[in-house]
Amino acid sequence: QQQVKQSPQSLIVQKGGIPIINCAYENTAFDYFPWYQQFPGKGPALLIAIRPDVSEKKEGRFTISFNKSAKQFSLHIMDSQPGDSATYFCAASKGNDMRFGAGTRLTVKP
Amino acid sequence: KAGVTQTPRYLIKTRGQQVTLSCSPISGHRSVSWYQQTPGQGLQFLFEYFSETQRNKGNFPGRFSGRQFSNSRSEMNVSTLELGDSALYLCASSLAAGGIEQFFGPGTRLTVL
Repeated sequence: QQQVKQSPQSLIVQKGGIPIINCAYENTAFDYFPWYQQFPGKGPALLIAIRPDVSEKKEGRFTISFNKSAKQFSLHIMDSQPGDSATYFCAASKGNDMRFGAGTRLTVKP
Repeated sequence: KAGVTQTPRYLIKTRGQQVTLSCSPISGHRSVSWYQQTPGQGLQFLFEYFSETQRNKGNFPGRFSGRQFSNSRSEMNVSTLELGDSALYLCASSLAAGGIEQFFGPGTRLTVL
């Protein structure tokens, strides 16, 4: 069952653009919302994560915006670079029960 | 500190066979979770092991099983392979049971012919 809905499925931006990936969750018990980055042939790598008690978290060029009432959160990548081209997954978890979004394939063109 | 390692990296089997995949967690991590990743279904949770005990199981048939050893290394077994079992199988480790910060290995690419 898809408890975390992620959009868009794919995204193409120019270098320097700000891609935004959105996720929505259903289970209000979720209390940890990570984003993972996956390159071809590699496992997902934790990028940034947020708890529902804050509305925004920034780490370098990556920002998570969180809207608890709407049960939505998003990833923004500032000043995107070709090296950011990868598949991004959002997730929501409660303890060890982690549910992933379907993924967004991001392409950053030079 | 070495990351999560998985062996083998690639595997080709035929329908009806069985397969065993191995995962070594990051040193000091005691929880190991397994995921199946396919283009159609995305990342799906299989099960989690902590202290040699299965703590949680996803919605997969009984053909999928696992175990964890005293050194925290884990194995996953799939019996009577089906074509639909072709996938990337990922192992993730975390410090404790229910650990939210999970570190993934590179995965084992299983192809069932």
